[in-house]
Amino acid sequence: GNSVTQMEGPVTLSEEAFLTINCTYTATGYPSLFWYVQYPGEGLQLLLKATKADDKGSNKGFEATYRKETTSFHLEKGSVQVSDSAVYFCALRGNRDDKIIFGKGTRLHILP
Amino acid sequence: DAMVIQNPRYQVTQFGKPVTLSCSQTLNHNVMYWYQQKSSQAPKLLFHYYDKDFNNEADTPDNFQSRRPNTSFCFLDIRSPGLGDAAMYLCATSRVGQDNEQFFGPGTRLTVL
Repeated sequence: GNSVTQMEGPVTLSEEAFLTINCTYTATGYPSLFWYVQYPGEGLQLLLKATKADDKGSNKGFEATYRKETTSFHLEKGSVQVSDSAVYFCALRGNRDDKIIFGKGTRLHILP
Repeated sequence: DAMVIQNPRYQVTQFGKPVTLSCSQTLNHNVMYWYQQKSSQAPKLLFHYYDKDFNNEADTPDNFQSRRPNTSFCFLDIRSPGLGDAAMYLCATSRVGQDNEQFFGPGTRLTVL
């Protein structure tokens, strides 16, 4: 079945550091891939998505590229801010599937 | 503008006392979902509706039921809450099709005393 594996947290960085959160997936066919962010006490918000191989999703300085050859969708940001502290979930949605499969989430702490 | 609305935001109930959580949407999406999320974990899908077609996850306890009377509203009923049911409950919606993301409500935090 479909699955998503993302790096364990928590990840702690200083402000302005470079961020990478790794995400790999297993799926039949060509799924769509997503990154969601969850701030404390809130629901999940879509951060970015990519729907086909080699697509790059980007938003708020975050980027992720859909790499079919390595089945990966790593999240990157060049210079993190304290306000980026949150939990980040990698997710996929497969062909003809109403369900989204989430990774376990990575908690990010940014220190001022 | 609020798109997925959950009420109440915080709900306290007693052990064994039935409780209903509500969700409404202004997006006119076909698919609605209920998730349970415990601290520091990923959301766990309980069930989802494609229009009125109900889809239960195999490991969702019978204690959890749902109703979708129309496109806009969906309810989660917990018939006899136990201490283990204390969690954040998230409602989400989406259009049909794998390219479409889910839109989440802010969640209802349930406390069971």
